[in-house]
Amino acid sequence: GESVGLHLPTLSVQEGDNSIINCAYSNSASDYFIWYKQESGKGPQFIIDIRSNMDKRQGQRVTVLLNKTVKHLSLQIAATQPGDSAVYFCAENMGRSSSGSARQLTFGSGTQLTVLP
Amino acid sequence: NAGVTQTPKFRVLKTGQSMTLLCAQDMNHEYMYWYRQDPGMGLRLIHYSVGEGTTAKGEVPDGYNVSRLKKQNFLLGLESAAPSQTSVYFCASSYVPDTQYFGPGTRLTVL
Repeated sequence: GESVGLHLPTLSVQEGDNSIINCAYSNSASDYFIWYKQESGKGPQFIIDIRSNMDKRQGQRVTVLLNKTVKHLSLQIAATQPGDSAVYFCAENMGRSSSGSARQLTFGSGTQLTVLP
Repeated sequence: NAGVTQTPKFRVLKTGQSMTLLCAQDMNHEYMYWYRQDPGMGLRLIHYSVGEGTTAKGEVPDGYNVSRLKKQNFLLGLESAAPSQTSVYFCASSYVPDTQYFGPGTRLTVL
C-alpha cells in the first residue's frame, strides 16, 4: 500500500471555520512534505511545503504542522472560504539519492474538503 | 509565464491506437514528470526526467514511453493503447527534486 494516507476521505466545514486535514506517513526517511490543492478538472496546485528539520510552517491562511514522532502531517486552513473547496493531497519525498537525482513524490489519495454556506 | 502546459486536453482512442501527449514548461526546470490519476487514487508516477536527454521509470511505466529531446518539452507516448490506460494524465516540472508544478491535465479515454 501507499506510505502516505489520510485519516478522512471527506471533510465538511462551515464557511468561516478553520479546517484541519490530516495525513500519516510511514517512511521515517522522508525529508520533505508538500500539500497540494486540486480543484475539479484542474491540476494539483502547490499550497505549502515543509522540510523535516521544521515542525511548523505558515503561509497565507494555511499552516502545516509536522510531527515526526508519530509520522503525522496536518494542513490547517484558517477562516475557510467557498473557494477552498477542493481535494487536498499530501505528498512526501523520501530523500535524495547519492547522485542527487529526483526521488519520487508519493501522494496520498486525497481528502475532499467541502465548505458549507 | 504560462507555467506547465499540456496538449491535448481531451482525447478518445480505440484499443491499439497510438498517441503522444506533449508537456511544455517555460520555467527552465531541469526535472519533468508524467503522472496518471485514477478515480479515488493519488497520483502515480509513470516516468520522469532529470534533464534534457535523460529519462527514468517511475512506479507504473509499463505501456508508456517518454522522450526529453528539449529541456522545455517532455513527451509521453502510448504505442498501443489499452482500456486500462484510460485516465487523467498530469505533467509536472521542478527546478530541484522537490516542489513540483503541475499542468492542467489530459483526459484520455481508451475504448
